[in-house]
Amino acid sequence: EPEVTQTPSHQVTQMGQEVILRCVPISNHLYFYWYRQILGQKVEFLVSFYNNEISEKSEIFDDQFSVERPDGSNFTLKIRSTKLEDSAMYFCASGTFRPDGYTFGSGTRLTVV
Amino acid sequence: AQKVTQAQTEISVVEKEDVTLDCVYETRDTTYYLFWYKQPPSGELVFLIRRNSFDEQNEISGRYSWNFQKSTSSFNFTITASQVVDSAVYFCALSEPFSGTYKYIFGTGTRLKVLA
Repeated sequence: EPEVTQTPSHQVTQMGQEVILRCVPISNHLYFYWYRQILGQKVEFLVSFYNNEISEKSEIFDDQFSVERPDGSNFTLKIRSTKLEDSAMYFCASGTFRPDGYTFGSGTRLTVV
Repeated sequence: AQKVTQAQTEISVVEKEDVTLDCVYETRDTTYYLFWYKQPPSGELVFLIRRNSFDEQNEISGRYSWNFQKSTSSFNFTITASQVVDSAVYFCALSEPFSGTYKYIFGTGTRLKVLA
């Protein structure tokens, strides 16, 4: 069964550093998402991406965050200057026809020290 | 506004007991989707079920069953004869496909501990 692949599975970074989280969506999917889960809390929507542009973003997704599809296959989330509170599990997801729901990757655990 | 409430923060049961996880949702749309996900200690989100708002039939899959009641805006999940491997956090989620970008609104999750 096709999978959404996220790399790395765990990343540790120093506060203030830039970090890029990578995702390879399922190949025929057109819609892409990032979600965040702070340890012990619920999963929260960050951003959705379709047709090479952001279609919606949450209030969490401030100017420190950006997304792009640099080569038509990868989908990345960049955090420009990480803060301690950015420590969380980040999930990528991709889908075809949106009402069907979509497939989540296994997540990247980001630890900011 | 969209909202998903999982009032049970943590439930502990002894193996082989049945357990029901509650999910209550709020939505302004008539068309929506409801989901349940399992999050084991390893952290990934494991898809369990998707139900659209027009299908109120209950569903059974092995030891799992789901009870969808639009009248009470609930989508409860029952595990029959629970096993230690069922120990995980379970999330209920809501998506309103025709109101925006189909983002999921998750509940706060219920941690299920099944004791041997």
